Amino acid sequence: GQQLNQSPQSMFIQEGEDVSMNCTSSSIFNTWLWYKQDPGEGPVLLIALYKAGELTSNGRLTAQFGITRKDSFLNISASIPSDVGIYFCAGMNYGGSQGNLIFGKGTKLSVKP
Amino acid sequence: NAGVTQTPKFQVLKTGQSMTLQCAQDMNHNSMYWYRQDPGMGLRLIYYSASEGTTDKGEVPNGYNVSRLNKREFSLRLESAAPSQTSVYFCASGTSLEQFFGPGTRLTVL
Repeated sequence: GQQLNQSPQSMFIQEGEDVSMNCTSSSIFNTWLWYKQDPGEGPVLLIALYKAGELTSNGRLTAQFGITRKDSFLNISASIPSDVGIYFCAGMNYGGSQGNLIFGKGTKLSVKP
Repeated sequence: NAGVTQTPKFQVLKTGQSMTLQCAQDMNHNSMYWYRQDPGMGLRLIYYSASEGTTDKGEVPNGYNVSRLNKREFSLRLESAAPSQTSVYFCASGTSLEQFFGPGTRLTVL
């Protein structure tokens, strides 16, 4: 089946640093989604990307949909302690009404004050 | 507007016991999903329902059954729980463009 490779697996950074993580796939997706999961909670949608080449920002977060439609990256600028959590990428191919997601394994972010 | 709600939050079962996980959404979405999350594995799709009255298998359906009771509710049933089903279970609802997740049910099977 389809698989997503998400890297890095974990990051330990100092508060104020910028963060970059990415996701690659062996197959094409029509949509890329980025989620954040806090401990003990469900994933929360951060950014959704719908067009190849699209660059979208949400506050300090910026994500891009790769031109080949096989990759996406997420940047966080000027990290703060509340950015701690696990970040997941997810690819979706919508055909009919399915819209099933394929998830990466996550990037665990730790921020040192 | 509660979004996606799940009950129970925590559950401990003995091997062979059965239980049903409940999920409800108030966003009027047609599609609903059940995922499991295991350490280091990301989220894997168990079953989904594209619309009321329809259900389909996802990546890891063995040992589970689902019921789409109405547009709002989608339940997941474990008929005979096994230790391999110890996991965190998330329900989601969405459109063809986005999915929104509930807070999860943490299930331990002894």
